[in-house]
Amino acid sequence: EDKVVQSPLSLVVHEGDTVTLNCSYEVTNFRSLLWYKQEKKAPTFLFMLTSSGIEKKSGRLSSILDKKELFSILNITATQTGDSAVYLCAVEDPGNTGKLIFGQGTTLQVKP
Amino acid sequence: EAQVTQNPRYLITVTGKKLTVTCSQNMNHEYMSWYRQDPGLGLRQIYYSMNVEVTDKGDVPEGYKVSRKEKRNFPLILESPSPNQTSLYFCASSLWVSSTDTQYFGPGTRLTVL
Repeated sequence: EDKVVQSPLSLVVHEGDTVTLNCSYEVTNFRSLLWYKQEKKAPTFLFMLTSSGIEKKSGRLSSILDKKELFSILNITATQTGDSAVYLCAVEDPGNTGKLIFGQGTTLQVKP
Repeated sequence: EAQVTQNPRYLITVTGKKLTVTCSQNMNHEYMSWYRQDPGLGLRQIYYSMNVEVTDKGDVPEGYKVSRKEKRNFPLILESPSPNQTSLYFCASSLWVSSTDTQYFGPGTRLTVL
């Protein structure tokens, strides 16, 4: 069964800290892995990763994929209180259904 | 403004009372889907639609129906809601089934079934 597992499930840090969120997956015929940020509303897209070793970067956020070890990490440097959210990892269903298979999410709280 | 809208945003109802959650997108997207989000389980797909009049089951379709009579609308119907359908529901759309990186999510509908 295809599945996505995120760790940790929750994390509390202080402003300025750097955090690393983990996402491991088991899926046949991998196509892509996506990261989303969810702040008490709809998930908003952060990154899509399809190739190993190529870092995607947007401001203080970056992400990389390891297709050999079947995981991805999301890094956030110099965290701010506005980074507090649930971060979701998902992989694209290989059956061409458009379905995203989500992990449980990591709840990040950044304290001032 | 490009968006996916859902109504209602919040709903408290009782077991067995039929309800419909509407979803509409203004981007001329072919692909639409419904997810439910539950604590500890992430988002799980309920139904999806590749195009008008084409719908199919996702991972958790039991107790739900959908229809796609027009491209822009994809309502979710609960014929006889039960408490285990208490959840946060998201509608999503994208231009094509393969456009997963540009999948727009609606604002969510929080449903409580008593």
